[in-house]
Amino acid sequence: EAQVTQNPRYLITVTGKKLTVTCSQNMNHEYMSWYRQDPGLGLRQIYYSMNVEVTDKGDVPEGYKVSRKEKRNFPLILESPSPNQTSLYFCASSLSLAMGPYEQYFGPGTRLTVT
Amino acid sequence: AQSVAQPEDQVNVAEGNPLTVKCTYSVSGNPYLFWYVQYPNRGLQFLLKYITGDNLVKGSYGFEAEFNKSQTSFHLKKPSALVSDSALYFCAETGANNLFFGTGTRLTVIP
Repeated sequence: EAQVTQNPRYLITVTGKKLTVTCSQNMNHEYMSWYRQDPGLGLRQIYYSMNVEVTDKGDVPEGYKVSRKEKRNFPLILESPSPNQTSLYFCASSLSLAMGPYEQYFGPGTRLTVT
Repeated sequence: AQSVAQPEDQVNVAEGNPLTVKCTYSVSGNPYLFWYVQYPNRGLQFLLKYITGDNLVKGSYGFEAEFNKSQTSFHLKKPSALVSDSALYFCAETGANNLFFGTGTRLTVIP
């Protein structure tokens, strides 16, 4: 089954404790992206990757890191989480090398709480 | 700056009635536009997209959307709402390397 998986689905952590949210897709997609969803703000892009070893900042990259060492994986790293990073996070992937008329496939989401 | 507007946070409609969820976009020229749906505790699912051509686009679950260039709108429609259509709906348009989302409209279909 074609899918995007994320782990963990739920995470409660404390300020400053490094964490990683994994994302994996099995569709051989070139484009991958991370979003955060906050009430009243919709989805905002954090980082995206056009291909292996190619990543770039989205609209809200501060406090986050990513890497793309393999085509299928795109982990999101919070080196020193803060309470304002409490949010619902989605990973997504898309066929296209450059964004165009290709829809994105979303993972199930990771609900992160930073206390 | 590129932006997508969904002017209604909440839309309520009775089961069996037609529904419309509104969206306006900002990019000039020929935009690529999308609708996604999010059910509780789930990720977003693709409903339909407009690339070019026919202004009426048909998608999944009986949904359709009408592209109107003069009004820069891309409203989502369904002729007869189902209770199971109750969800959060997002409109989006493509930028150079990313997707810009609206803030979402919560649709509630009342039995």
